[in-house]
Amino acid sequence: GNSVTQMEGPVTLSEEAFLTINCTYTATGYPSLFWYVQYPGEGLQLLLKATKADDKGSNKGFEATYRKETTSFHLEKGSVQVSDSAVYFCALTSHGNNRLAFGKGNQVVVIP
Amino acid sequence: DAGVIQSPRHEVTEMGQEVTLRCKPISGHDYLFWYRQTMMRGLELLIYFNNNVPIDDSGMPEDRFSAKMPNASFSTLKIQPSEPRDSAVYFCASSSTARDGEAFFGQGTRLTVV
Repeated sequence: GNSVTQMEGPVTLSEEAFLTINCTYTATGYPSLFWYVQYPGEGLQLLLKATKADDKGSNKGFEATYRKETTSFHLEKGSVQVSDSAVYFCALTSHGNNRLAFGKGNQVVVIP
Repeated sequence: DAGVIQSPRHEVTEMGQEVTLRCKPISGHDYLFWYRQTMMRGLELLIYFNNNVPIDDSGMPEDRFSAKMPNASFSTLKIQPSEPRDSAVYFCASSSTARDGEAFFGQGTRLTVV
């Protein structure tokens, strides 16, 4: 079945540092890939998505590239801000089924 | 569109009481999902519907939990009787087949069972 693996543990970094959160997946066929963000006290909201191999999703300075050969969708941002502190979830769906498979999420804390 | 609307935002109830959580999905969406989020277990899918029909309820923890979707614009998640271990944030989400599975989440209902 479909599954998503995110790197273990929270991520703490200083303002303006480079952020990478790793995400790898297992899926049949050609899934669509997503990154969701959850700010404190809120629901999840879509950050970016990519629907086919080599697509790059981007939003708010974040980027992720759909790599079929490595089954990965790593999230990156060149210079984080305190306001980027949140929990980030990697997810996928398969064609013909909108059921999302989520990773466990990574807490990101950006300190001034 | 106002997005996915959940009510209530917060619910505090006594053990043994019935709790009903409500969700209004985005108009035109054909999938609806109920999730539960806790610190210990993270985000868990409880049940999802396609065109108002339950497709997979294998995530529903016990018979105390039930969910219905009587029409395309309304769903409920009921817990009867409630227990302290049901305390969590419950999210409803909806999506459309036409949008690559992109799901839109409500603000959640924070349930506390005392």
